[in-house]
Amino acid sequence: QKEVEQDPGPLSVPEGAIVSLNCTYSNSAFQYFMWYRQYSRKGPELLMYTYSSGNKEDGRFTAQVDKSSKYISLFIRDSQPSDSATYLCAIRRVQGAQKLVFGQGTRLTINP
Amino acid sequence: EPEVTQTPSHQVTQMGQEVILRCVPISNHLYFYWYRQILGQKVEFLVSFYNNEISEKSEIFDDQFSVERPDGSNFTLKIRSTKLEDSAMYFCASSGDRGYEQYFGPGTRLTVT
Repeated sequence: QKEVEQDPGPLSVPEGAIVSLNCTYSNSAFQYFMWYRQYSRKGPELLMYTYSSGNKEDGRFTAQVDKSSKYISLFIRDSQPSDSATYLCAIRRVQGAQKLVFGQGTRLTINP
Repeated sequence: EPEVTQTPSHQVTQMGQEVILRCVPISNHLYFYWYRQILGQKVEFLVSFYNNEISEKSEIFDDQFSVERPDGSNFTLKIRSTKLEDSAMYFCASSGDRGYEQYFGPGTRLTVT
C-alpha cells in the first residue's frame, strides 16, 4: 500500500467554484500534514501545514485533517485562474525521520 | 522575504560526468534537504542534513551521491558519475529549528545525455 495517495486529476473547474483536493495516507505515525502548490517547472511552494485533526483556515484556503480516517483535504474558495497549478500533499512523522512524503499531485485548472 | 536559491537552473552533462548542484538555504535554518522529481512523477526525498551530518537518506541516495555544507551558507549535492536515469529536477529545501515547515528552492533541472 502506498504511503500517500492522491488523485492526479486533472481537475478543471470554473472561476469562483469551491475546489476540494484530497489525499489519503496509510500510516498513523504520520502526524504533520502540508499542502504545497507547484507551478510548471518550479519548486513546491508551501501553502499550509497542520498538525491536529480539524480545520485550519488561511484566506481562501482551508486545510482539513481527519486522523481517524487518515484523510486530508484542501479547500479553495472563490477559485481564481491564478490558482491553476499542481497541488501536492506532503506528510511527515513528528519524531525521527524528517523527510516529507509527497502525494502524486493533483493538476488543477481554473477556467475564466 | 527570505528564500532558498539554487544554481544552476539547468545543467546538461554527459553520462559518467560529475555534477555539483548548489543551494543557498534560508540563512537561519538548521535542516537541509535534497529532493528530486523525475518528469511526471512524485517529488522524492533523497537526503536530510543537520548539524553537519546526514540525518537520513533514501535508497536512491547511493554511493554516487554526496552532500556537503562547505561554508556557512552553501549546501551542495554531488553526483559522482551521472547516469541517464539521474535526469530530473533537483530541489533543495530548508527548515528552521522546529524542522516542520520545509521551504523549497526553484530547482535545478539536470539533463544527462
